[in-house]
Amino acid sequence: DAGITQSPRHKVTETGTPVTLRCHQTENHRYMYWYRQDPGHGLRLIHYSYGVKDTDKGEVSDGYSVSRSKTEDFLLTLESATSSQTSVYFCAISPGTALNTEAFFGQGTRLTVV
Amino acid sequence: GESVGLHLPTLSVQEGDNSIINCAYSNSASDYFIWYKQESGKGPQFIIDIRSNMDKRQGQRVTVLLNKTVKHLSLQIAATQPGDSAVYFCAEKVYSSASKIIFGSGTRLSIRP
Repeated sequence: DAGITQSPRHKVTETGTPVTLRCHQTENHRYMYWYRQDPGHGLRLIHYSYGVKDTDKGEVSDGYSVSRSKTEDFLLTLESATSSQTSVYFCAISPGTALNTEAFFGQGTRLTVV
Repeated sequence: GESVGLHLPTLSVQEGDNSIINCAYSNSASDYFIWYKQESGKGPQFIIDIRSNMDKRQGQRVTVLLNKTVKHLSLQIAATQPGDSAVYFCAEKVYSSASKIIFGSGTRLSIRP
């Protein structure tokens, strides 16, 4: 999977608790993305990063925060998990050059908020 | 605003026939349009992309067509095989210092034997 690892792969948490998902890459790619995937909604962009400490919001960023303190790691935090955040979360990485649009995805993290 | 959407949620094709998956977009500023394939339990996988200044691009058994006049793109899969069964997403990308990739909702392709 192009040197991208998501952890944990599965998690069940209670409403109101904080949750952090980790995305780790070994490709030294500039861009990293967090998406959530729900039935009928495809993949929706939560946050993305275009460099260390450079992040921006996506389509559905409310209730989520991110951090990227080094190239290889991009963390997604749910400050206070809600049932509406039950989803499958995918991390993606991309070189981000003008000639290369390919993004490589991790295997996903299935998060259940009860 | 940016919007990428797919015309049909499901498509059933006879094995060996050609498949055509369609997608509409609304952001004329997109630099690239990209097709991804997602198999059950896996993350999406890049298939092919097309730059906005092109009309057609071919890959191995796949062709992407872009019609900027009607803001429509399609993915054609030749001689569809059982291994092509998956959900297909179109996506768009505006190339900038803060590039982001926006996905459509997906079409499920099923293959009849």
